[in-house]
Amino acid sequence: DAEITQSPRHKITETGRQVTLACHQTWNHNNMFWYRQDLGHGLRLIHYSYGVQDTNKGEVSDGYSVSRSNTEDLPLTLESAASSQTSVYFCASSDRRGSTGELFFGEGSRLTVL
Amino acid sequence: GQNIDQPTEMTATEGAIVQINCTYQTSGFNGLFWYQQHAGEAPTFLSYNVLDGLEEKGRFSSFLSRSKGYSYLLLKELQMKDSASYLCAVRKVDKLIFGTGTRLQVFP
Repeated sequence: DAEITQSPRHKITETGRQVTLACHQTWNHNNMFWYRQDLGHGLRLIHYSYGVQDTNKGEVSDGYSVSRSNTEDLPLTLESAASSQTSVYFCASSDRRGSTGELFFGEGSRLTVL
Repeated sequence: GQNIDQPTEMTATEGAIVQINCTYQTSGFNGLFWYQQHAGEAPTFLSYNVLDGLEEKGRFSSFLSRSKGYSYLLLKELQMKDSASYLCAVRKVDKLIFGTGTRLQVFP
């Protein structure tokens, strides 16, 4: 079965360190997204991609970067982790072609920055 | 810009009916989604409305009025397992912008 997987599921790091969260989907979807979820804020869009070599900033992109070198993967990098980036991160994908645009979510990565 | 509002919390009794409202103001609109999210889990798709009216799917129904910027999710015959957060999201082109979610607690 097609799926979307995130790794690591849990990560503890220190302020200032670089962290990369992996996202891999086997749906062959064009669109991939990264959200963060915090109490009181809901899901907020960080970055998204509509295809290989395409990346776009979302509403909370500062301190984050992504790259899309193939269809399956959209890694999220925190260049210099800050305590404010402690959150649960969700990766999602959708199929642009003739669909509703329904998002399929990964199981989430819980990041703690000390 | 966009603004999506939902009540923060709601409570209901098992077997009852509950309506969760969502209002939105957004530049660009390509549809409205409802997702369910149990604590500690990923959101899962419930419904999608792109035209005005009611979409029914089993115990769950979703309504949309584009002219009023308004949607609701109706849950019938509530069960304990319906205790979860319900997320309203507006589709803009191919990206979804989410509201803060409504936490529903169902009591026996």
